[in-house]
Amino acid sequence: GESVGLHLPTLSVQEGDNSIINCAYSNSASDYFIWYKQESGKGPQFIIDIRSNMDKRQGQRVTVLLNKTVKHLSLQIAATQPGDSAVYFCAENMRGGSYIPTFGRGTSLIVHP
Amino acid sequence: NAGVTQTPKFQVLKTGQSMTLQCAQDMNHEYMSWYRQDPGMGLRLIHYSVGAGITDQGEVPNGYNVSRSTTEDFPLRLLSAAPSQTSVYFCASSRRTGTRNTEAFFGQGTRLTVV
Repeated sequence: GESVGLHLPTLSVQEGDNSIINCAYSNSASDYFIWYKQESGKGPQFIIDIRSNMDKRQGQRVTVLLNKTVKHLSLQIAATQPGDSAVYFCAENMRGGSYIPTFGRGTSLIVHP
Repeated sequence: NAGVTQTPKFQVLKTGQSMTLQCAQDMNHEYMSWYRQDPGMGLRLIHYSVGAGITDQGEVPNGYNVSRSTTEDFPLRLLSAAPSQTSVYFCASSRRTGTRNTEAFFGQGTRLTVV
């Protein structure tokens, strides 16, 4: 999940396990949340999004959960594969704002074969 | 299907030099933005634009200028490069749908080193 400091939070899992990546967002006015995946040397890529009127959204092997009460977001990856190794960012968009996303620091996911 | 194109991919500058990082998108997106990414850090917003002719400052705007004369292009200018501007720069665009926007599409990044 998100943390203060110079080192990127890291999650290490075995291939086939389920992964859960957490994110705390800052603004209660945010109404749109996106998870991005960034592979080494590449730009971030969209994984899944969720609007604030939802608690859960599922994609292919990924699920995003939103808890607005505690301003917490999580990304669940089922049956994690080596190709899932990357840095994962959550981003929030604020209702009535510029609609330019604000990013968290990211979590590095390492999948061991 | 180009998406967001950034040039150059790599650049080395001497302190005090100026340069422009180019960003172009072919998706007719209203929103464009520039981020910098430093080791162990997330993406920090430098400048953004919500449409042609409209720009605004983000979290870390000092030392950078932008303009948006067309929907497609959003160049980032470094007027006098400093070692603290050594970073990877990403340009992104997203589409507006009514009062909401969609996910951002990112370029492949420009790795800038200032010596």
